[in-house]
Amino acid sequence: AQSVTQLDSHVSVSEGTPVLLRCNYSSSYSPSLFWYVQHPNKGLQLLLKYTSAATLVKGINGFEAEFKKSETSFHLTKPSAHMSDAAEYFCVVSWNYGGSQGNLIFGKGTKLSVKP
Amino acid sequence: DVKVTQSSRYLVKRTGEKVFLECVQDMDHENMFWYRQDPGLGLRLIYFSYDVKMKEKGDIPEGYSVSREKKERFSLILESASTNQTSMYLCASSYPGLAGGDEQFFGPGTRLTVL
Repeated sequence: AQSVTQLDSHVSVSEGTPVLLRCNYSSSYSPSLFWYVQHPNKGLQLLLKYTSAATLVKGINGFEAEFKKSETSFHLTKPSAHMSDAAEYFCVVSWNYGGSQGNLIFGKGTKLSVKP
Repeated sequence: DVKVTQSSRYLVKRTGEKVFLECVQDMDHENMFWYRQDPGLGLRLIYFSYDVKMKEKGDIPEGYSVSREKKERFSLILESASTNQTSMYLCASSYPGLAGGDEQFFGPGTRLTVL
């Protein structure tokens, strides 16, 4: 069975400092993993995805994530936070139903606050 | 660009009313999904459909039904709205590719309040 755990419900950083949002997954086979971002009153937008190619995945807006199979982790990082990064972030693992249909299991989300 | 639109951004209904939430996607995607989003719970899958007239229950289907008569449109129906269905509802679509890893494209959401 697949599951995903986001280790922090809230993270607060100062503008210009690094961001780390932690995610651990459980999967009975090699998973596909995603990070989505949701800005206030907006829909979800894909930040990046891992689908068994390179373990270090680069996404939009300077974010990246590293797939570590030995640690079952897929943490999201950014070297320098910007005020516009304040949002809720979701770590997501996919599972299959009936073949190639990719259903997603969402973590509970991490709210990122960025202080001036 | 993929576009997923939802019929309303905000909706207020009364207990017992029948409520229709509409979702339309313009990229010829086979798969469509309905989620509800509640604070601290993330997104939970209500129903999904991988073809016209096909539907499958997700994790929390009770109190909901769906309709997919055309490929581009997926409707969520609350047969008799209750206050515990007050939530943000998100629609998504995807194109089935290789096993796993299908990116889903989301609409802006409908915030439903049931009084």
